[in-house]
Parts: sequence; structure tokens; C-alpha cells
Amino acid sequence: KQEVTQIPAALSVPEGENLVLNCSFTDSAIYNLQWFRQDPGKGLTSLLLIQSSQREQTSGRLNASLDKSSGRSTLYIAASQPGDSATYLCAVSPNDYKLSFGAGTTVTVRA
Amino acid sequence: SAVISQKPSRDICQRGTSLTIQCQVDSQVTMMFWYRQQPGQSLTLIATANQGSEATYESGFVIDKFPISRPNLTFSTLTVSNMSPEDSSIYLCSVEESLRNYGYTFGSGTRLTVV
Repeated sequence: KQEVTQIPAALSVPEGENLVLNCSFTDSAIYNLQWFRQDPGKGLTSLLLIQSSQREQTSGRLNASLDKSSGRSTLYIAASQPGDSATYLCAVSPNDYKLSFGAGTTVTVRA
Repeated sequence: SAVISQKPSRDICQRGTSLTIQCQVDSQVTMMFWYRQQPGQSLTLIATANQGSEATYESGFVIDKFPISRPNLTFSTLTVSNMSPEDSSIYLCSVEESLRNYGYTFGSGTRLTVV
């Protein structure tokens, strides 16, 4: 059974600092890995999708890397802003469409 | 990516009653998924809904408690039946678009409180 772990569970930084969020998974046989953002009480917003054949994806201030062989992904958020405060979820997708989610990292960016 | 409209966004319900949650997608999709997120927890898959066939439920979830309809390729409903306070959660629908390189897209969620 796929296990997804996200470290740290919570993170508080001053505005302008770079954020580094880690995700690890136990079974490297994944189809893709996706990072989501969730605001309190709301649904999930997709941030980045990395296919299993890719090493990284970038969108604006966000960059995500994938090392499938070691079962790790890292989400970098450059020059953090208070609007980046949210919970960030990592999810891996095997071939049977059953997403496995990490517990999330709750980020607070202090103005 | 697909746009999903999920209703209601939140509700407060009496125990013993039922609530039906709707998801409308702006494009045709083969598979739709329903998730539950209990307070302070991550997401757990309830079932996969395919058009024209019965939903496939994950371990710990049964059709009598969470009946699902999928009448066409753009719409699905999840009913939470005979509710108890333990059913208080966020419920989310999702579609998968890997062929269009979008991965999974989620609805805005239904925040359910059972009193």
C-alpha cells in the first residue's frame, strides 16, 4: 500500500522567505505526482503536475522536483507572500486512478 | 482543465437525515471520484463513479450509506444517508484528466456539519 509522508507538518515564515516543502512516497511505481493547495474549509486547487518521466515542473514562483527512484518530491515557493498561506498537499497516482494523499503541510507566511 | 461546480458549498444537517451533493463538470469525463476529508485529516477516496455502471466503493464505505448516481458523463451525485455527527466532513468530487495532462481536478467541496 502506498504511503505518502509530508514534512514538515507546519511551517511559519516571514514574508519574502523561500519555502521548501517535502513529500516522500514508499512505492516508486507511480503514474504522476501532483501538488495541491487547500484553503481552510475549501476544495483543492492544482498547482503542479509532474509525470513519472519528468524531473521537475515550474509555474511562476513555484517549482516542483521529482526523484522517483528515491520516492521524493520537493515543492519550492520563491519569495513567499501572505497569500501563500494555506495547506499544501502532495498526491501520487498509480495506474489504477486511486490517488494517495499526504497529510499536508500547513504554511503561514507572516507579513 | 475541467471546471467542476459542486453544490451545496456547506450545510448543517440534523442527525438521521440525508444530504445529496451534486457535481457538474463542464466537459465529458469517464471517471468521477468522491472523497471525504474528516476534520484535520487528509483525503480518503469513497468511491469511483462511472457512467452507466454501479459505483465502485473503497473499503469501509458502502452503497447504503453513500449512494452515488452517474446519469451522464458530466454529472454525479453523492448522498450521505442517515447522518450522524461522525459524518461531519468536507466532501469533494474529482475528475481525472491525465490524457490532457491536467492530472486531477477537484470541486470546491461541501462542508457538512451534522448536529
